[in-house]
Amino acid sequence: NAGVTQTPKFQVLKTGQSMTLQCAQDMNHNSMYWYRQDPGMGLRLIYYSASEGTTDKGEVPNGYNVSRLNKREFSLRLESAAPSQTSVYFCASRATPGSYDGNTIYFGEGSWLTVV
Amino acid sequence: EDQVTQSPEALRLQEGESSSLNCSYTVSGLRGLFWYRQDPGKGPEFLFTLYSAGEEKEKERLKATLTKKESFLHITAPKPEDSATYLCAVQKNTGNQFYFGTGTSLTVIP
Repeated sequence: NAGVTQTPKFQVLKTGQSMTLQCAQDMNHNSMYWYRQDPGMGLRLIYYSASEGTTDKGEVPNGYNVSRLNKREFSLRLESAAPSQTSVYFCASRATPGSYDGNTIYFGEGSWLTVV
Repeated sequence: EDQVTQSPEALRLQEGESSSLNCSYTVSGLRGLFWYRQDPGKGPEFLFTLYSAGEEKEKERLKATLTKKESFLHITAPKPEDSATYLCAVQKNTGNQFYFGTGTSLTVIP
């Protein structure tokens, strides 16, 4: 029972490099999210996708792009990484309203990204 | 402005010493309030969802309660394995976004 799976777990980038964080969920959820977590700042929403084919900006979208590849997969891309993007990134998916677990968000294990 | 505030930031308890964590929120139109546990190096793990004032949920040594402006996570006779960061989040009636607090770091000393 995998739930939400993120790759890679750890990554070090140089300033200006690009990379894509991959996320997949096997719970047949419609909504998926990308958050970043920084000390003292809590979890902040970068982008979310309410359903396949749709994406919306969250609180801190600048410097990021997303792709909802299909219902299972939601990727986050850093086109030109900056030191300010050093963070822990979490992908999450949300149970469908009306389902047994209602609106619950389920998180992946995180991706630790360092930009030097 | 929509805001979620958790207190205290950090809490140290002796094993068996009961206490409560607080989550206060200022959002218009609450759909649900969520509690998560996060261990170091891991993703948040879902604990409870509360939907209306007066609602209570329990799981082992944890009990979550909800009023119109805040939620409490009561920890009864904690054990060292309860040590973690506890996160609170709220979802508004409108939209798909969830707003998280910065968490309370709980340490239970044997």
